[in-house]
Amino acid sequence: EAGVAQSPRYKIIEKRQSVAFWCNPISGHATLYWYQQILGQGPKLLIQFQNNGVVDDSQLPKDRFSAERLKGVDSTLKIQPAKLEDSAVYLCASSLSSTGNTEAFFGQGTRLTVV
Amino acid sequence: SQQGEEDPQALSIQEGENATMNCSYKTSINNLQWYRQNSGRGLVHLILIRSNEREKHSGRLRVTLDTSKKSSSLLITASRAADTASYFCATREDSSYKLIFGSGTRLLVRP
Repeated sequence: EAGVAQSPRYKIIEKRQSVAFWCNPISGHATLYWYQQILGQGPKLLIQFQNNGVVDDSQLPKDRFSAERLKGVDSTLKIQPAKLEDSAVYLCASSLSSTGNTEAFFGQGTRLTVV
Repeated sequence: SQQGEEDPQALSIQEGENATMNCSYKTSINNLQWYRQNSGRGLVHLILIRSNEREKHSGRLRVTLDTSKKSSSLLITASRAADTASYFCATREDSSYKLIFGSGTRLLVRP
């Protein structure tokens, strides 16, 4: 079974530039998550989708971050404009559902450095 | 904001010893999960315990859950150098079904 695919693996941008990350979840998984993990901290939930609807985006800085899930499958996370404090690893994960006792499967993440 | 806080933040033990990590959380949960993260890699699911369960085992892992105290513990028995990693608890919130992670425990197992 193919895992969660993320691209790119690494990205370096200057502050005020924009950047986009892509995620392809495991086939058949209804729930998709984006997390931000700053070095030395636990993953912080940015947004959680159930199919193509948003379950929660309370921690997403909506003035600069946006996310969409196309046709309930792939997802993109965009930052525009980026700030130095956005330097982090962005993790995408998927699970069969939100409501069941299901585990999340994670991709390898995208390491973003804002200079 | 993060739901779970883990204790200790860092733990160093000798190979063969047991490692215990604790997690406390704030809201009502559907289940609690533990994940491992090796340096520079994605997270891997270890074990899930439902809110109506008190203890669960999987190989060398033992998880307990006390919903009255809103706390959980992860015990790794007979640790190996390969167990060196960061360990995170994650809670599935009852009302929103959000999956929220704690701050993690960094475990070092010395050969």
